[in-house]
Amino acid sequence: NAGVMQNPRHLVRRRGQEARLRCSPMKGHSHVYWYRQLPEEGLKFMVYLQKENIIDESGMPKERFSAEFPKEGPSILRIQQVVRGDSAAYFCASSPVTNYYGYTFGSGTRLTVV
Amino acid sequence: AQKITQTQPGMFVQEKEAVTLDCTYDTSDQSYGLFWYKQPSSGEMIFLIYQGSYDEQNATEGRYSLNFQKARKSANLVISASQLGDSAMYFCAMIPNYGGATNKLIFGTGTLLAVQP
Repeated sequence: NAGVMQNPRHLVRRRGQEARLRCSPMKGHSHVYWYRQLPEEGLKFMVYLQKENIIDESGMPKERFSAEFPKEGPSILRIQQVVRGDSAAYFCASSPVTNYYGYTFGSGTRLTVV
Repeated sequence: AQKITQTQPGMFVQEKEAVTLDCTYDTSDQSYGLFWYKQPSSGEMIFLIYQGSYDEQNATEGRYSLNFQKARKSANLVISASQLGDSAMYFCAMIPNYGGATNKLIFGTGTLLAVQP
């Protein structure tokens, strides 16, 4: 049973470009969380999605960031017009239900904006 | 405010000795969950141990145990018989209002543990 798969593992973008980060949850998991880890910091919650629905996006920056989890396919975190401050590690976690502990995290996508 | 505090930026421990990593939390919720994660230099987040606020016994998982002191709002991680492979960043985290609509984790800033041979 494959774990949470995130790709790409590393992503380099120039300022102003778009970044697309993908997360395939574990088989049977329909809940996805995205977290961001800035250098030298802990992870910070961004958004929580269930299939086709955004449940909680209270941690998402108001502009340039969006997330989706379609009925088919991976969850996508999209960052438009990236800036240097977006450089961070972005982690996805999945769970089978809401009330669940021990989420499985992916290995993260390291975004570098140059 | 809901917050996790880890006051030790870095720790050294000798191989085979025990080490305690400190964590205090702040929440007004009655139902909450406390977690510890390990992040090795390769970057992935590895779940170690969980403690529920209503659990009366301290959680244990192999060499990991969680010293839960509810009145003091502390959830320290104890690693017994340290191994070189334990060298990593360790994060304490909390889900406040556990069982609510969104179980989002609040993380501390982490403690970097270095195990010396």
